[in-house]
Amino acid sequence: DAKTTQPNSMESNEEEPVHLPCNHSTISGTDYIHWYRQLPSQGPEYVIHGLTSNVNNRMASLAIAEDRKSSTLILHRATLRDAAVYYCILRDPNSGGSNYKLTFGKGTLLTVNP
Amino acid sequence: EPEVTQTPSHQVTQMGQEVILRCVPISNHLYFYWYRQILGQKVEFLVSFYNNEISEKSEIFDDQFSVERPDGSNFTLKIRSTKLEDSAMYFCASCREQKNYGYTFGSGTRLTVV
Repeated sequence: DAKTTQPNSMESNEEEPVHLPCNHSTISGTDYIHWYRQLPSQGPEYVIHGLTSNVNNRMASLAIAEDRKSSTLILHRATLRDAAVYYCILRDPNSGGSNYKLTFGKGTLLTVNP
Repeated sequence: EPEVTQTPSHQVTQMGQEVILRCVPISNHLYFYWYRQILGQKVEFLVSFYNNEISEKSEIFDDQFSVERPDGSNFTLKIRSTKLEDSAMYFCASCREQKNYGYTFGSGTRLTVV
């Protein structure tokens, strides 16, 4: 799987927007960009994914650079409940047969200050 | 919202004993996975399961490990003879299809081998 690079940690204040960056300069044309998060003592949780266009859902927005070599997960108004490790993961659903496993890196630890 | 359910939430076992970790994936999902996370480390892929057979397994998933989907609803991970280094959080996940959906993870089973 292509590699992603994320900052080890970021800090934000409650009710402010948060922009979590991810670099993936070796992304292939068929790699989807996935974001998951892991709250303390819980399993990973799907946040959002996209291929080329920006995506929005009830949890977050995903902004994908035009060259697709980087992306940004945007939390529009951080809450204390958003404190978690955020993982940016690339996956090509057309490779590996029916596997489609996710490979987790270390992610970004987001701290939200009250 | 549909959930992946894992039981037990915590299991303590003696080294050398067999353990079975249980998972109930979301009912219309077709792809099933086990991951583990040793304390303070990354989430690691163990095995993927599709169409009633293993589709991929990692180096961690040696002969001591096995998976089953005995009755069309439960998905189990068995560790035949536990070792101290098997102590970890074990997460079950399921996915409906590969392209347009994310994984749903369970809350995990904390396995402690003493």
